[in-house]
Amino acid sequence: ETGVTQTPRHLVMGMTNKKSLKCEQHLGHNAMYWYKQSAKKPLELMFVYNFKEQTENNSVPSRFSPECPNSSHLFLHLHTLQPEDSALYLCASSQGFGGAEDTQYFGPGTRLTVL
Amino acid sequence: AQSVAQPEDQVNVAEGNPLTVKCTYSVSGNPYLFWYVQYPNRGLQFLLKYITGDNLVKGSYGFEAEFNKSQTSFHLKKPSALVSDSALYFCAVRGPYNTDKLIFGTGTRLQVFP
Repeated sequence: ETGVTQTPRHLVMGMTNKKSLKCEQHLGHNAMYWYKQSAKKPLELMFVYNFKEQTENNSVPSRFSPECPNSSHLFLHLHTLQPEDSALYLCASSQGFGGAEDTQYFGPGTRLTVL
Repeated sequence: AQSVAQPEDQVNVAEGNPLTVKCTYSVSGNPYLFWYVQYPNRGLQFLLKYITGDNLVKGSYGFEAEFNKSQTSFHLKKPSALVSDSALYFCAVRGPYNTDKLIFGTGTRLQVFP
């Protein structure tokens, strides 16, 4: 489980705050993903980066801003969030060569609470 | 459009008994199927996947899954459940095209009682 790490593990923020989530993968992968996990809802894919290029933005509000400076690091910058954005945010990585068998490996997640 | 269904919110089983967690899917073309497990306060851990070949796939921690094309199912199984298997299990499916996304089910909570 140390292949993909996420910090912080827990975050409480007010609606006017700006914060960032960090993800790092140590698996030599080329693709990285942000997912949102809310109670009783399927996992929601937010963003995909492949070889540092954003290849997917799943209609995510602009108050979420991703950044991928290299293939090992992924950030999610947060600003003016809403209480309904409270959720577990999961980062994942994969080889990223586009094959359907490409397996994603997940980090432990950041539990975000927006007050 | 791709979709995956996990019809049971929760499955209860006694320790030592066999367990089954159900998953059905809908996809155009050949499916690529995955099972993940999530323990409390942890991320999803990859268990196993079906790509092609033998319909019975073996994975981590003694789990296996059977691909059934005619029933469009990919049920997760284990011959003898352990209390430590108690967790949230997710089935996921992707279609065969590069543009197909990995679609997750809503999850099934497995509770193994001593």
